[in-house]
Amino acid sequence: DADVTQTPRNRITKTGKRIMLECSQTKGHDRMYWYRQDPGLGLRLIYYSFDVKDINKGEISDGYSVSRQAQAKFSLSLESAIPNQTALYFCATSSGTSGGYTDTQYFGPGTRLTVL
Amino acid sequence: QKEVEQNSGPLSVPEGAIASLNCTYSDRGSQSFFWYRQYSGKSPELIMFIYSNGDKEDGRFTAQLNKASQYVSLLIRDSQPSDSATYLCAVNTGNYQLIWGAGTKLIIKP
Repeated sequence: DADVTQTPRNRITKTGKRIMLECSQTKGHDRMYWYRQDPGLGLRLIYYSFDVKDINKGEISDGYSVSRQAQAKFSLSLESAIPNQTALYFCATSSGTSGGYTDTQYFGPGTRLTVL
Repeated sequence: QKEVEQNSGPLSVPEGAIASLNCTYSDRGSQSFFWYRQYSGKSPELIMFIYSNGDKEDGRFTAQLNKASQYVSLLIRDSQPSDSATYLCAVNTGNYQLIWGAGTKLIIKP
């Protein structure tokens, strides 16, 4: 089945450490997104990419960076993790071919990150 | 600041009844509206989307859109315990990004 996968699924790290979250997809989609989800808050967009050479900041990009290594791979890095980056992180993809306004996003299983 | 508002709930509905979930949005230029379901600890999964005023039905689910009043709703008919989840409303305001509500927690009581 075409899918979106994320690694690791759970990660506990310490303040100041560098950490990378990885996302891979077999859907053949061009567009990829990174979100974080905090209790009581909606999904917030960190970065998005519409193709390999296109990287865009989202609503809350400070403290994060991304790399689009290939059409199928999009990684999120926390250069120096801090406790308020503790959250559930989701990668999502969309095809971009169904028309801009109906472009549906499909989510990976998420990475639960805890920064101590 | 573009906003999407949802009642956090929990909304408790008896099994077999109709569950009604509401979402309001601030940007009048919003073009399309998505409903996702999220089980605890899992990822959001698409239920349906709507972009024209009126109703759109898909099985037990009906999305209703009223652009003049800036609200969108989701009705779930014949509610089942398996429908217990958090329902997320997302709005596409025209720049290919989605603005998300915080979700409404729905509990279906047997």
